[in-house]
Amino acid sequence: SQELEQSPQSLIVQEGKNLTINCTSSKTLYGLYWYKQKYGEGLIFLMMLQKGGEEKSHEKITAKLDEKKQQSSLHITASQPSHAGIYLCGADGHGGSQGNLIFGKGTKLSVKP
Amino acid sequence: GAGVSQSPRYKVTKRGQDVALRCDPISGHVSLYWYRQALGQGPEFLTYFNYEAQQDKSGLPNDRFSAERPEGSISTLTIQRTEQRDSAMYRCASSLGISGSGMNEQFFGPGTRLTVL
Repeated sequence: SQELEQSPQSLIVQEGKNLTINCTSSKTLYGLYWYKQKYGEGLIFLMMLQKGGEEKSHEKITAKLDEKKQQSSLHITASQPSHAGIYLCGADGHGGSQGNLIFGKGTKLSVKP
Repeated sequence: GAGVSQSPRYKVTKRGQDVALRCDPISGHVSLYWYRQALGQGPEFLTYFNYEAQQDKSGLPNDRFSAERPEGSISTLTIQRTEQRDSAMYRCASSLGISGSGMNEQFFGPGTRLTVL
């Protein structure tokens, strides 16, 4: 079965610093979702990457999908305390958008003011 | 509100009792998904529906777990004879597009924290 490994598991950065979170799949990636989780809230959808080489940005967050490496990266520029939370990557477990999303364990981000 | 809602937000029950968790998806969303999330882990797929039809229940741990979505809107996840190992956050998500037709953004609710004593 497909597994997603996220690195690092946790990260503490100073406000204003850049950071990158990686998500590596054990099998071919047909697409990838990034979510952010905050305590007491649901998962907040960030981005969806559908094909190799695709790159998307939203505000100061950029995500890329490298199909060959079976990997996606999430990059935050000039981090702010509001970026703190748990970042989760998810992929279709059947490789064909059948609804069964597989998630990584998450990367916990803390931003020091 | 316009988002996915779940109730109750917190449920504490004694071992052996049955519980029913409710999910109200975003209006008009065709597909509805149930996940379970243990502390420190990502969500784990349980089951999903397209309209009222249950498409995949391969993630349900055992036959104590069941789900329904009779009218293609609200869904209920039922756990019978609860056990301590059932304690977790149960999350519901919905998507506008029908699952299987391509990538669809899944919008998650706040979850129901279940504690079995």
